[in-house]
Amino acid sequence: SQTIHQWPATLVQPVGSPLSLECTVEGTSNPNLYWYRQAAGRGLQLLFYSIGIDQISSEVPQNLSASRPQDRQFILSSKKLLLSDSGFYLCAWSTDSPYEQYFGPGTRLTVT
Amino acid sequence: GEDVEQSLFLSVREGDSSVINCTYTDSSSTYLYWYKQEPGAGLQLLTYIFSNMDMKQDQRLTVLLNKKDKHLSLRIADTQTGDSAIYFCAERSVAGGTSYGKLTFGQGTILTVHP
Repeated sequence: SQTIHQWPATLVQPVGSPLSLECTVEGTSNPNLYWYRQAAGRGLQLLFYSIGIDQISSEVPQNLSASRPQDRQFILSSKKLLLSDSGFYLCAWSTDSPYEQYFGPGTRLTVT
Repeated sequence: GEDVEQSLFLSVREGDSSVINCTYTDSSSTYLYWYKQEPGAGLQLLTYIFSNMDMKQDQRLTVLLNKKDKHLSLRIADTQTGDSAIYFCAERSVAGGTSYGKLTFGQGTILTVHP
């Protein structure tokens, strides 16, 4: 069966510090991968998606970046965090049709 | 563009049925989904329905789709306190020729179940 992991689970970082969040998927090959941010409200904002290794598309311009160095590894990074980067970051993967997405447990990021 | 809207709150008594409603705007939607999120956790896929279906039932869950009105609902029978969570509907459309399965999510409905 497929599983998706995210780490760390929680993170407190000062403004201006770098960020690296990791997501890995097991039990499937060539998944579509996604990074979302869920702010204090409830809505999900799609940040990045990837259909293959080194194939990354950005949905929202910002100071975050994403990379996919391996088929089942997706990394979210920042060189300098802003206060507004605080939130709950979710990684997800999907198959092709019916395209349902499966989410990881999330990382709670607090920028102080 | 795509837009998905949900009512923000629903409160029910334990044992009653819950009905969570969702409307969407994109007529090219192919699949519609319901997710559940418990506090501090990721989203859990509950069920999905293909746009050429009117209804799908899975144990206590019933999904109804009115494609003409672009209205989707999730009915939870015999609601339990463990059903308290945020429920998201989402649509997958082919607008813009997307082929990777981008979903558009609603804002979520907070379901509170009282004993």
